Amino acid sequence: AQSVTQLGSHVSVSEGALVLLRCNYSSSVPPYLFWYVQYPNQGLQLLLKYTTGATLVKGINGFEAEFKKSETSFHLTKPSAHMSDAAEYFCAVSDDNTDKLIFGTGTRLQVFP
Amino acid sequence: GAGVSQSPSNKVTEKGKDVELRCDPISGHTALYWYRQRLGQGLEFLIYFQGNSAPDKSGLPSDRFSAERTGESVSTLTIQRTQQEDSAVYLCASSLARQGAWEKLFFGSGTQLSVL
Repeated sequence: AQSVTQLGSHVSVSEGALVLLRCNYSSSVPPYLFWYVQYPNQGLQLLLKYTTGATLVKGINGFEAEFKKSETSFHLTKPSAHMSDAAEYFCAVSDDNTDKLIFGTGTRLQVFP
Repeated sequence: GAGVSQSPSNKVTEKGKDVELRCDPISGHTALYWYRQRLGQGLEFLIYFQGNSAPDKSGLPSDRFSAERTGESVSTLTIQRTQQEDSAVYLCASSLARQGAWEKLFFGSGTQLSVL
């Protein structure tokens, strides 16, 4: 069965610094991959997704993620953090055997001025 | 409304009581998921409905948990004889996804359940 690991439950960066949130999945069969974001007091919303094609995926608010099959990774990056990026970020992977989305445990991003 | 609606937004109950949580998906969305988010933890899959197919109940943690969905409309998640470990945010999500086609999930704001 698919599983997804997010390294680091908390990440803190200064405003303007690079944001890197890590996500690794378990399957050898390339799945569909997603990043969802949960802003304070809001529901989860899709940030970006990888299905097929180009391995570098651009999402909303300047975020992007790169699918690396050799590393079974789908890390989320943003060149320059903004205060409004403070939120919880969830990586998710499809499980074609079960039609479910498997979510990671989440990474809380804090941005300091 | 245009989004996924969940009610109630907050529910406080006593241990041993039954609770019912409601989810109104976006109209036309065939897929509906329930997830549980315990404090400091990730989203835990509970149950998945897809159209008129038999639901995937593999994530339900015990037989105290059940869920129903009528067609492609409202879903209710029922927890019988609640326990303190059931305290969590219960999230509902819907999508246009059909088997093998991965569309994005639209999440509701969740129901915060507190079992005293």
